Amino acid sequence: NAGVTQTPKFQVLKTGQSMTLQCAQDMNHEYMSWYRQDPGMGLRLIHYSVGAGITDQGEVPNGYNVSRSTTEDFPLRLLSAAPSQTSVYFCASSYGGVGNTGELFFGEGSRLTVL
Amino acid sequence: EDKVVQSPLSLVVHEGDTVTLNCSYEVTNFRSLLWYKQEKKAPTFLFMLTSSGIEKKSGRLSSILDKKELFSILNITATQTGDSAIYLCAVINQAGTALIFGKGTTLSVSS
Repeated sequence: NAGVTQTPKFQVLKTGQSMTLQCAQDMNHEYMSWYRQDPGMGLRLIHYSVGAGITDQGEVPNGYNVSRSTTEDFPLRLLSAAPSQTSVYFCASSYGGVGNTGELFFGEGSRLTVL
Repeated sequence: EDKVVQSPLSLVVHEGDTVTLNCSYEVTNFRSLLWYKQEKKAPTFLFMLTSSGIEKKSGRLSSILDKKELFSILNITATQTGDSAIYLCAVINQAGTALIFGKGTTLSVSS
């Protein structure tokens, strides 16, 4: 199993550009989520999904869109990038929903810089 | 509002020292508290604690939960340079839909 795979690992954008961070997992996990990690701020939840076709907002959803058309994939879209979105983004998944086991499996992260 | 507070935010110790990392929390309908270790990339799972007073151990790492006082500690004995990392504490939120993380404790172990 590859686990949780994120692409790209690094990206530099200009203000106003749009892009998609890809996340795929091969563990048949129903629950998937996106977090951002900023220095001194810990991990903050952007969006999550409890299954295909179901998504919901987390703590910091503004400026981001998600969709979940398959169990395996959960892309994160930046609609119009802003410098405040410079961060490291982590995709994470869980079997049976985080409310049951609490254990999340994380991807290796995508470092995004917005100029 | 669900909240997790970790202390200290950073810590520098010498190899062989014992360290204690603290995590206090406020969450309605507590389910579990989790500890993760983050080295250079992805956080990796260490412990999940659901019951008060029961210690979880893995090698030199151990953790315990106090549900009455709403905190947990993570102990690392005989620290090694490989223990240098960010240690993250998290609780499951009230709705059971996400983890709420603290800001983490950055541990640096010098040789």
